[in-house]
Amino acid sequence: AQSVTQLGSHVSVSEGALVLLRCNYSSSVPPYLFWYVQYPNQGLQLLLKYTSAATLVKGINGFEAEFKKSETSFHLTKPSAHMSDAAEYFCAVSSSGSNDYKLSFGAGTTVTVRA
Amino acid sequence: ETGVTQSPTHLIKTRGQQVTLRCSSQSGHNTVSWYQQALGQGPQFIFQYYREEENGRGNFPPRFSGLQFPNYSSELNVNALELDDSALYLCASSSRDNEKLFFGSGTQLSVL
Repeated sequence: AQSVTQLGSHVSVSEGALVLLRCNYSSSVPPYLFWYVQYPNQGLQLLLKYTSAATLVKGINGFEAEFKKSETSFHLTKPSAHMSDAAEYFCAVSSSGSNDYKLSFGAGTTVTVRA
Repeated sequence: ETGVTQSPTHLIKTRGQQVTLRCSSQSGHNTVSWYQQALGQGPQFIFQYYREEENGRGNFPPRFSGLQFPNYSSELNVNALELDDSALYLCASSSRDNEKLFFGSGTQLSVL
């Protein structure tokens, strides 16, 4: 079965600093991997997804993630944090191993941004 | 704006009752998925419907059931509510080309 583990339930960064959110996956097949963001009282919004094309995936709002098979990782980064990046971030993998959106999510990482 | 609308936004029920949550997807979105998000946790996949048929189910008991209608609306029904069913329930539909999953804002269910 496919699963993801997010390392660190809370991350605090200064405005303008690098944001790094860690995600490791476990998959018996080439994975479909996703990063979602959730703002308070809202649903989830897709930041980016990996579907076995380029290993460096660029998403919305300046975020990007790099797929590293050797490390079974899919960490999310943003070079310079903005106050608006404060939210909860979820890494997810397609539990069926295909692009059918039956997703298995990590527990989430809450990002706070300090002025 | 995702085009996925859920109702109601909040709901309070008592243990043992039954509840129906509703979701309206964008036209043409043939696939709808339901997720349960307990406080402080990531969403958990309940089930998925494709063209009005169940198309995969997560680790949820049969008292969780669903329906999908031809007009791109769907329902999640939960019977014999338990305290642990208190959670945010999210509906999500897939775009026509299956390139993206659109989430609604969810229904917050509290079971007392």
